[in-house]
Amino acid sequence: EAAVTQSPRSKVAVTGGKVTLSCHQTNNHDYMYWYRQDTGHGLRLIHYSYVADSTEKGDIPDGYKASRPSQENFSLILELASLSQTAVYFCASSDTEQFFGPGTRLTVL
Amino acid sequence: TQTVSQSDAHVTVFEGDSVELRCNYSYGGSIYLSWYIQHHGRGLQFLLKYYSGNPVVQGVNGFEAEFSKSDSSFHLRKASVHWSDSAVYFCAARGMPNYNVLYFGSGTKLTVEP
Repeated sequence: EAAVTQSPRSKVAVTGGKVTLSCHQTNNHDYMYWYRQDTGHGLRLIHYSYVADSTEKGDIPDGYKASRPSQENFSLILELASLSQTAVYFCASSDTEQFFGPGTRLTVL
Repeated sequence: TQTVSQSDAHVTVFEGDSVELRCNYSYGGSIYLSWYIQHHGRGLQFLLKYYSGNPVVQGVNGFEAEFSKSDSSFHLRKASVHWSDSAVYFCAARGMPNYNVLYFGSGTKLTVEP
């Protein structure tokens, strides 16, 4: 049974629109992460969180907000989506290792 | 600045061959290294890790990796690959100042030909 789930699995958004990507974990982990993966590249950290109601900036936070309303849930918010934010987004939770969700493919047109 | 580099973007071998996927890191202080595998269209899955002790660590499905401080390397190896090993492999590292943040290499796509 999947321990990290993401929704939606894919989304098409318009430039300037608001996008919310959701992540849910049942691992009981404190840490959760949002990454983006561009074609042919590794993962880059956007935001992470180690406790509910608190988030931290990763390496590429510009244009993204994050929300951690509970230990289980972690959302990534694009207030004004741009073409450059077309990518696959992965959520993860961790204790000593990171456990990844299946990813969300976001296309901004 | 911490960096993880994977020099080979693509590696192609035949089924039954051995393979080595290379990873080099640039870090100060204690380091925690790991390898992840990503099958097409899927999320990343943990393969193995090293923090201390025996520099050769065993992972799932016959994979192993060897840590070398002198070479700043953590190469992944498998003695005999199967077609199902075709995937993208990511090396990752974490260390001070934040042990909870992983830095990933750019990945190596392994293709196993029949």
